[in-house]
Amino acid sequence: DAGVIQSPRHEVTEMGQEVTLRCKPISGHDYLFWYRQTMMRGLELLIYFNNNVPIDDSGMPEDRFSAKMPNASFSTLKIQPSEPRDSAVYFCASSSLAGGQETQYFGPGTRLLVL
Amino acid sequence: QKEVEQDPGPLSVPEGAIVSLNCTYSNSAFQYFMWYRQYSRKGPELLMYTYSSGNKEDGRFTAQVDKSSKYISLFIRDSQPSDSATYLCAMRGTGGYNKLIFGAGTRLAVHP
Repeated sequence: DAGVIQSPRHEVTEMGQEVTLRCKPISGHDYLFWYRQTMMRGLELLIYFNNNVPIDDSGMPEDRFSAKMPNASFSTLKIQPSEPRDSAVYFCASSSLAGGQETQYFGPGTRLLVL
Repeated sequence: QKEVEQDPGPLSVPEGAIVSLNCTYSNSAFQYFMWYRQYSRKGPELLMYTYSSGNKEDGRFTAQVDKSSKYISLFIRDSQPSDSATYLCAMRGTGGYNKLIFGAGTRLAVHP
């Protein structure tokens, strides 16, 4: 398996623009997580899905952030409008109930810079 | 106060040294404890996993959990330059799915 795939790997945009991050989880995994990592705040869980359904979005910072999972093999995290403080590395991770929920497999991340 | 506290370092040691990485936590409901390793510009990868108190050994790595003190440790024996990375502790409770709470991560550099 190719592991968790994220795109783009790098994104530079201007304040106010819409940003869409994409994730393809490992085939067969039923949990998908979106995290944000910064030097100041470390690794934070934004939202997670189980069987394509959002379960906990309490980590989403504000209404500018939204996430969808239209099917088992694809998820998006959208920021609209983007702000400089959204600059961070965004990770997608997936896990399987059968494999143990704690065994989360992370993608390589998307480095976002908002100017 | 954060639920999980971890010294961000950086920690610099010579090759062959024994490394001790630690986290403290405040939530007594945490039962599952993990250590993730994150290389520069990569995603975290699970290194060690322990349930409740006790020790677990895997090669040069030993994870310890002391629930009475709310303190967990990761020991690396005979450290190698390839161990240079950021190490994040993570933990969660029980009962269905509970989200992982991560420490800030400790940056480790092992120099030849």
